[in-house]
Amino acid sequence: GQQVMQIPQYQHVQEGEDFTTYCNSSTTLSNIQWYKQRPGGHPVFLIQLVKSGEVKKQKRLTFQFGEAKKNSSLHITATQTTDVGTYFCGGSGGSNYKLTFGKGTLLTVNP
Amino acid sequence: DGGITQSPKYLFRKEGQNVTLSCEQNLNHDAMYWYRQDPGQGLRLIYYSQIVNDFQKGDIAEGYSVSREKKESFPLTVTSAQKNPTAFYLCASSPFGAAFYNSPLHFGNGTRLTVT
Repeated sequence: GQQVMQIPQYQHVQEGEDFTTYCNSSTTLSNIQWYKQRPGGHPVFLIQLVKSGEVKKQKRLTFQFGEAKKNSSLHITATQTTDVGTYFCGGSGGSNYKLTFGKGTLLTVNP
Repeated sequence: DGGITQSPKYLFRKEGQNVTLSCEQNLNHDAMYWYRQDPGQGLRLIYYSQIVNDFQKGDIAEGYSVSREKKESFPLTVTSAQKNPTAFYLCASSPFGAAFYNSPLHFGNGTRLTVT
């Protein structure tokens, strides 16, 4: 079945440093969604990408969808303590329309 | 405010007992989902429902049961057959069934179940 791998599993940065998390799918995706879960909280939808090579920005966050629609990345510029949390990607594709989530990347930021 | 309500936030049960987790939404969403979250394991789909009176098994349905008698409600029963029931359970909804619209998920605050 469809698998979505996400790396790294953990990332610790100093405030002001950049951060990137990567998702790779075993199959071509029709779309990919990104979520953020604060410690003790629930996942909150950030963005959805559907087009090959698509790039979207939300303030300091940049999301990319690969040309082959099998990988995606989330880049945060100049991290802040408010960025702390686990970032999940979820992809769906083909006849398997269910979202399959990666295991997430836990970001901690040292002030 | 519209949203998804899961109750209770924390739940404790003895091994061998069935337990039902509540999930109610007032977003008028058609689809509802149950996910299980374990440390380092991400989100795994237990059951989902795209319409009232219909539901399908997800990736880890064994030991769980659901019902969808009303659009607003999608309770999850963790049965005694579930071998490792201690986990964080998240209910979610989306405006349309993911099959056709790939719509984003709105999550509830979750229920942390501990079985001893």
